[in-house]
Amino acid sequence: DIQMTQSPASLSASLGETVTIECRASEDIYNGLAWYQQKPGKSPQLLIYNANSLHTGVPSRFSGSGSGTQYSLKINSLQSEDVASYFCQQYYDYPTFGAGTKLELK
Amino acid sequence: EVQLQQSGAELVKPGASVKLSCKTSGYTFSNYYMSWLKQMPGQNIEWIGNIYGGNGGTGYNQKFKGKATLTVDKSSSTAYMDLSSLTSEDSAVYFCARYINYFDYWGQGVMVTVSS
Repeated sequence: DIQMTQSPASLSASLGETVTIECRASEDIYNGLAWYQQKPGKSPQLLIYNANSLHTGVPSRFSGSGSGTQYSLKINSLQSEDVASYFCQQYYDYPTFGAGTKLELK
Repeated sequence: EVQLQQSGAELVKPGASVKLSCKTSGYTFSNYYMSWLKQMPGQNIEWIGNIYGGNGGTGYNQKFKGKATLTVDKSSSTAYMDLSSLTSEDSAVYFCARYINYFDYWGQGVMVTVSS
């Protein structure tokens, strides 16, 4: 299994701030990485795929980057509706997820 | 608009089985894989397995072999997951999600509670 280590586990930020969430894979996943947003009581929603491609309808303040084993999700100009949990998922091997980052407003 | 509509919450007794459904619309069901995933509070989301809408071909996470059985009904564009020999460890929220290596559309989730 490819293990996904996500950090931080929780994060508090102010409106308008830029936030970065990291994900490290236990081996090279060759950009086979997606990011999801999940709000309480809702299903996850795809934000980013192929490490840096924005899914349809996702605001451009979300971006993804990285390669090899290290990947990140950046949220520019944090909005109140961005309060959620964020998960990474690799698909180089059978799908596995990171433990999630809970983003709150400061 | 792609939509995945899951069946309602289930309360089941230990040792019993349950069948969950995921009715789709807005895309050609037979052209895509459907996945099922498990989410327990405080734990990583787990991929259970995939099924191809076209021919019912399946692939499972080794952890869920013998626990989950995936099927489809092409005529109604619906995917199903049977969970057997339920224990408290199976209490969780279960999602169906369209799979193209990543999961681009998700059902709303269904809570399964295993309790006597």
